[in-house]
Amino acid sequence: SAVISQKPSRDICQRGTSLTIQCQVDSQVTMMFWYRQQPGQSLTLIATANQGSEATYESGFVIDKFPISRPNLTFSTLTVSNMSPEDSSIYLCSVTDLYTEAFFGQGTRLTVV
Amino acid sequence: GNSVTQMEGPVTLSEEAFLTINCTYTATGYPSLFWYVQYPGEGLQLLLKATKADDKGSNKGFEATYRKETTSFHLEKGSVQVSDSAVYFCALNDLTGGGNKLTFGTGTQLKVEL
Repeated sequence: SAVISQKPSRDICQRGTSLTIQCQVDSQVTMMFWYRQQPGQSLTLIATANQGSEATYESGFVIDKFPISRPNLTFSTLTVSNMSPEDSSIYLCSVTDLYTEAFFGQGTRLTVV
Repeated sequence: GNSVTQMEGPVTLSEEAFLTINCTYTATGYPSLFWYVQYPGEGLQLLLKATKADDKGSNKGFEATYRKETTSFHLEKGSVQVSDSAVYFCALNDLTGGGNKLTFGTGTQLKVEL
């Protein structure tokens, strides 16, 4: 199993600013995933973050808007840039183990005003 | 591409009632199937999983069987409790491209009342 710590747990931000979300895992993992859960909706994968390479973004998400860092095998950050109210969501970090089970952080609840 | 369709909520039941939440999927290959639960104010937790056809996942009184012929993975519980009130997500994994991404359904909110 994996324990994931995500910070901050929530934030209220002004439009036009940026927020960086941190994800710390208690074990080394190859792949980390960032999801977005918009109000009342399901989870949508933003990108896959591999250590030592550029993140792979899903359709509809771009690096300029959601830059990701993955400096080592236990840590990643997601930045939400130039925020607008439409970015108000819960952002979740996830990792998977060898048996495909996914573990999630508690999420970061972002409100953009 | 892959997709997961689950019944819309909210589903409201009385305590001790029988629960079914339907989930069907479309996928290439042979994905694993999952049910995740999100209790109020908490993150997602794995509830149960099945990795191949005819497998039955079970946990905390919940069950789901991987039905390849009907591409379904319906969640059932014989007697729900107020503490089961949560949002339930059906999901499948996608191992294409060497990755391990999850595709989620839209979630079904369950409310259990006394």
